[in-house]
Amino acid sequence: NAGVTQTPKFRVLKTGQSMTLLCAQDMNHEYMYWYRQDPGMGLRLIHYSVGEGTTAKGEVPDGYNVSRLKKQNFLLGLESAAPSQTSVYFCASSRAGNYGYTFGSGTRLTVV
Amino acid sequence: GESVGLHLPTLSVQEGDNSIINCAYSNSASDYFIWYKQESGKGPQFIIDIRSNMDKRQGQRVTVLLNKTVKHLSLQIAATQPGDSAVYFCAEKGLSSGGYQKVTFGIGTKLQVIP
Repeated sequence: NAGVTQTPKFRVLKTGQSMTLLCAQDMNHEYMYWYRQDPGMGLRLIHYSVGEGTTAKGEVPDGYNVSRLKKQNFLLGLESAAPSQTSVYFCASSRAGNYGYTFGSGTRLTVV
Repeated sequence: GESVGLHLPTLSVQEGDNSIINCAYSNSASDYFIWYKQESGKGPQFIIDIRSNMDKRQGQRVTVLLNKTVKHLSLQIAATQPGDSAVYFCAEKGLSSGGYQKVTFGIGTKLQVIP
């Protein structure tokens, strides 16, 4: 069981470039999430999905887009990267209801 | 405790001693709480959870205590080992002012185990 797999693990982008972060889970979880983690702050929710074909905005959605075309995959897109998007990004998944999240190992993104 | 990396509250504990990590939560409507462990360079890992209808839950070497009166959560680790060195943070889930279920993560406490 791989759990939650994120790719890539590291990436450096120039301001204005675009990229897609990939997340895959093999636990048949209904819910998936994208978070960013910055020093001095708790994990902040960017976007989430409660099922295939559905997405919703979280706490800090600006500058990001997501898609969940298949239940097991959740993609995070940056259309035009900005230095403020330098962060560590985590994907997570969970069952519906009150259950803990399973996190991926993260993507460290630097925008220069 | 609050911060990942910089300015992170740190708890130093001798190997073999018990550790107690505290967390204050803000939403009195929160009904589900989770503790996570995050080792350097890795994603957060679920440790233990507790629902608001309980005040104590035990796992293997870990115990979570919930005091809803003062909105306080603690994680106790028995016989702390070097492998327990990590950042620990709590999360609360409850109904937000906007009427939706919201999960709020704390910033964490760094546990250092002294061999």
